[in-house]
Amino acid sequence: KQEVTQIPAALSVPEGENLVLNCSFTDSAIYNLQWFRQDPGKGLTSLLLIQSSQREQTSGRLNASLDKSSGRSTLYIAASQPGDSATYLCAVVFSNSGYALNFGKGTSLLVTP
Amino acid sequence: DTGVSQNPRHKITKRGQNVTFRCDPISEHNRLYWYRQTLGQGPEFLTYFQNEAQLEKSRLLSDRFSAERPKGSFSTLEIQRTEQGDSAMYLCASIWGVSEAFFGQGTRLTVV
Repeated sequence: KQEVTQIPAALSVPEGENLVLNCSFTDSAIYNLQWFRQDPGKGLTSLLLIQSSQREQTSGRLNASLDKSSGRSTLYIAASQPGDSATYLCAVVFSNSGYALNFGKGTSLLVTP
Repeated sequence: DTGVSQNPRHKITKRGQNVTFRCDPISEHNRLYWYRQTLGQGPEFLTYFQNEAQLEKSRLLSDRFSAERPKGSFSTLEIQRTEQGDSAMYLCASIWGVSEAFFGQGTRLTVV
C-alpha cells in the first residue's frame, strides 16, 4: 500500500527559529510532491510543488527538497513567524496508482511570539 | 480567474436527507478532484474527473455518493440518505495535467 507519513504530528517553536518538517513516502515512483498549508476550518493553500525530476524548490522563506530514492521530502521554514502557525500537509502523486494526491496527516505548527 | 470555488461553504442537514455540493474549478484545468477531510486527518481521496469522464473512485465512495462533471466544467457531489459519519469537510481541487493542484475553501457538512 502506498502511504505518506508526516513527522512530527505537532511542533511548537519560538518566533525566529528555523525549522524542518518531514514527509516520507513508501514508493519512489512518483510524478510529484506538493506541500500545502491549511489554516483552521479553511481549504488548502499550495506552497511548493516539486516534480519528480527536481531536487528542490524555493519560495521566499520556504525551501522544499525531494529525495526519491529514500522516499523523503523536507520543508524548511526560515526565520519562523507567528503567522506561519498552521497545519502543513504533504501530498504525493504516485506513478503507479492513477493521478490522485495521497496526503499525510499533516504537521500542526505553532510559532509563539 | 478567482481560483477554485465551492458552494455552499457550510451545510447543516438532518440525517437521512440528501445534500449536493458544487465545485467550480479553474477554467483551463482538465482534472477535478473531490476529497473528504475529518478533524485531525489529512484529506482522503474520493474521486476524480478528467474532463467529463470520472476515471477513479475510492472505496470510500459508497453507493450513497455520486459525482458528476457535465461537459467537463463544474462538478457536483451528491450524498443521499446522509448519516452522521458523513459529517466532514468536503474539498475540491483542480489541476492541469500533473502540475500544481489548487484547492477550494471546502464545504463543511454537519449531519444532525
